[in-house]
Amino acid sequence: EVQLVESGGGLVQPGGSLRLSCVVSGFTFSSYWMHWVRQSPGRGLLWVSRINTDGTITNYADSVKGRFTISRDDAKNTLFLQMNSLRADDTGVYYCVRGEMAAPGTDFWGQGTMVTVSS
Amino acid sequence: QTVVTQEPSLTVSPGGTVTLTCASSTGAVTSVNYPNWYQQKPGQAPRSLIYSTTNKHPWTPTRFSGSLLGGKAALTLSGVRPEDEADYYCLLDFSGTWVFGGGTKLTVL
Repeated sequence: EVQLVESGGGLVQPGGSLRLSCVVSGFTFSSYWMHWVRQSPGRGLLWVSRINTDGTITNYADSVKGRFTISRDDAKNTLFLQMNSLRADDTGVYYCVRGEMAAPGTDFWGQGTMVTVSS
Repeated sequence: QTVVTQEPSLTVSPGGTVTLTCASSTGAVTSVNYPNWYQQKPGQAPRSLIYSTTNKHPWTPTRFSGSLLGGKAALTLSGVRPEDEADYYCLLDFSGTWVFGGGTKLTVL
């Protein structure tokens, strides 16, 4: 069974940092692109970032570029999102999402971890 | 900044057919935008329905289908059921940067 479990969310002050983790199981992690997606309270979805299978290609939404860094540790079956210089509008649920192998897209989602940026 | 636009809300009767669309501010949506579609119900994580324009996942009900229609990506629901009431989001790829649409709230009434 494919599982993605996010952790690391919490309350952080504006300007602070947080590192999210996503531990996966039930599939060969190293064979898949991975994504992070955010949903602000009561609002729509924002694609945040993606990383390719060997970590050599990363892409970011304009709103997080230069502040967030996606990475992966295939030995630990873990995806990361390092978030720096956090702002109030970074508040939301962060989902870890597996890339679809057959063609560009996604398939499985985690349940998310909540990040609140507030003083 | 690229903007992806969806209908804010649509209403459909049970058993009916409805088409949701997804437009890009940069021009026509094509297959190289690899349109994806997602369903989200209250209190739940989104669920992937369609990838790369037309492809379904094993769990995608057969009444859902994806296409390109008049320069937009489209999601068509045929034989709508009450449990299809949800928010639907499209996602487009712009050369490695992906952008979600604002979502369509589908009401089944």
